[in-house]
Amino acid sequence: QVQLVESGGGVVQPGRSLRLSCAASGFTFSNYGIHWVRQAPGKGLEWVAVISYDGITKYYADSVKGRFAISRDNSKNTLYLQMDSLRDEDTAVYYCAKQGGLGQNWLDPWGQGTLVTVSS
Amino acid sequence: EIVMTQSPATLSVSPGERATLSCRASQSVSSNLAWYQQKPGQAPRLLIYGASTRATGIPARFSGSGSGTEFTLTISSLQSEDFAVYYCQQYHNYYTFGQGTKLEI
Repeated sequence: QVQLVESGGGVVQPGRSLRLSCAASGFTFSNYGIHWVRQAPGKGLEWVAVISYDGITKYYADSVKGRFAISRDNSKNTLYLQMDSLRDEDTAVYYCAKQGGLGQNWLDPWGQGTLVTVSS
Repeated sequence: EIVMTQSPATLSVSPGERATLSCRASQSVSSNLAWYQQKPGQAPRLLIYGASTRATGIPARFSGSGSGTEFTLTISSLQSEDFAVYYCQQYHNYYTFGQGTKLEI
């Protein structure tokens, strides 16, 4: 079955960096765009970034633009999120999610999430 | 940025009753709208896409309607497992979520 598994979360100090990974299985990874979505503790969902199936097109939320970078390795069926200059407000559970299809950007399924805590 | 506004923030209903959740977009998103269900400690799950198409495996008691700026998620007869938080998401112009509606007993 289609599965996404995030990893790489943890506790990091403000201003430092962290890289998240999302390992995909059960589908042809190189055919689908993949998103990152985050959820601060007790809050709602916030879209973070998306990368196209071929890795060429990338979009970011204004709140992370210039600090976060999304990338993918289709040979490894893995998505990444490089997070630099982390702030307290980046504390959240980070989910990766597969798009419904080419140009069809509903999100299904989602991974279980990885928690990032930014704290001194 | 398209702003998505959900109402009410909390909806108190009883099992077996009908629940109607609303989502409004600040500008037209056509039918590019999805609904998700999230239970405590779990990832969101896709319920509806294209405003009205049920995702695979979603029970028929869930239905979506609307287009343009006004959308509705209806749960026809609430089951105990339906008590959760529901989010709408537009994917017409980038991607934004509503703030969620908590469905409680």
